[in-house]
Amino acid sequence: DTGVSQNPRHKITKRGQNVTFRCDPISEHNRLYWYRQTLGQGPEFLTYFQNEAQLEKSRLLSDRFSAERPKGSFSTLEIQRTEQGDSAMYLCASTPSLTNTGELFFGEGSRLTVL
Amino acid sequence: LAKTTQPISMDSYEGQEVNITCSHNNIATNDYITWYQQFPSQGPRFIIQGYKTKVTNEVASLFIPADRKSSTLSLPRVSLSDTAVYYCLVGGSQGNLIFGKGTKLSVKP
Repeated sequence: DTGVSQNPRHKITKRGQNVTFRCDPISEHNRLYWYRQTLGQGPEFLTYFQNEAQLEKSRLLSDRFSAERPKGSFSTLEIQRTEQGDSAMYLCASTPSLTNTGELFFGEGSRLTVL
Repeated sequence: LAKTTQPISMDSYEGQEVNITCSHNNIATNDYITWYQQFPSQGPRFIIQGYKTKVTNEVASLFIPADRKSSTLSLPRVSLSDTAVYYCLVGGSQGNLIFGKGTKLSVKP
């Protein structure tokens, strides 16, 4: 399968714990995006990378959230000291485009439940 | 960043043509208009993208008037499997891509 892969697909954790999600984009895709989606809402932008450079991070994003794309390939999203409000679907998308005008290819998402 | 406004929900019947309009009054010169479809528990899926006038592919058409302040996604002869949420996005070479709340389309038999 050559689509965007996200792991784990589901994560249940207790409040205060740290969690990490991984995204493997389609090979050679330059841009990688992270979104968060709660029930009944559209995907909320978190951050995006062009190759290994993090170009933008949402101002609404807590300092507990950090993302990396060390070699310009896979990316990780870490949430420290999780809170119940962090419960959501975390979506990753990639595109070969160097602009925002191309098609985004989304993964199936990683669902986080914070107890 | 251009903000988009869409109807929250729409109902249709199988076999009908569905038109979903998106308003984007603050669209910038280098912004493109892109529509995505999302089913429950899945990531959004690209439908169509355009800059101006009309674009057509195998699943939909996109109509963009000359002033580009709105766009209309047209789905011909919808089926039950077209029941989903449809998002209109506006974006160019700079900045991120913002999703709105989308339009929940319900297709009935």
